[in-house]
Amino acid sequence: SQQGEEDPQALSIQEGENATMNCSYKTSINNLQWYRQNSGRGLVHLILIRSNEREKHSGRLRVTLDTSKKSSSLLITASRAADTASYFCATEDGGFKTIFGAGTRLFVKA
Amino acid sequence: DVKVTQSSRYLVKRTGEKVFLECVQDMDHENMFWYRQDPGLGLRLIYFSYDVKMKEKGDIPEGYSVSREKKERFSLILESASTNQTSMYLCASWGPRTGELFFGEGSRLTVL
Repeated sequence: SQQGEEDPQALSIQEGENATMNCSYKTSINNLQWYRQNSGRGLVHLILIRSNEREKHSGRLRVTLDTSKKSSSLLITASRAADTASYFCATEDGGFKTIFGAGTRLFVKA
Repeated sequence: DVKVTQSSRYLVKRTGEKVFLECVQDMDHENMFWYRQDPGLGLRLIYFSYDVKMKEKGDIPEGYSVSREKKERFSLILESASTNQTSMYLCASWGPRTGELFFGEGSRLTVL
């Protein structure tokens, strides 16, 4: 079963613009994470936000979490062509399982 | 840096063959996972293991089994490969200090 559902499924922007991706989930979580995947490669962890946090920053990344709405957003500021990748949210409920959504494909045009 | 190594990047097998996908991690992590990734479906959890010889079914275990004889190695087994098991398979281990998953590069399996 998929816990996280990303929106939009695909996003195309110009270099320098900001990219925003959203994630909704269904059940209570311990934390929510965002991962990046370059085409044909494994996933790389970007950022983790715990259920008692509302916002977190890492470089050009900003993540928000609204547990009342069961949603999160990932903002990439001043995007670069190298940011072209798929982005996944993942939720962990305090057990052993991390569940991923279907991902957002981001294309940044140079 | 944590390294998760999957033994094969690309495999082509025939229907009915037994397939072994190997995964090794070098950080002494207890929890390891096997996912499969298909277009439009994201990552789906097949099996996970939280200790040597311990395993739990994920969301789509049918047609698969796993083996965890040593802490660093977690193997995914397709007892009799079928064409609907053509997919990208991703192994991951969980780092308790940061709470993140560390992924291998993936094994793309084609079953003919």
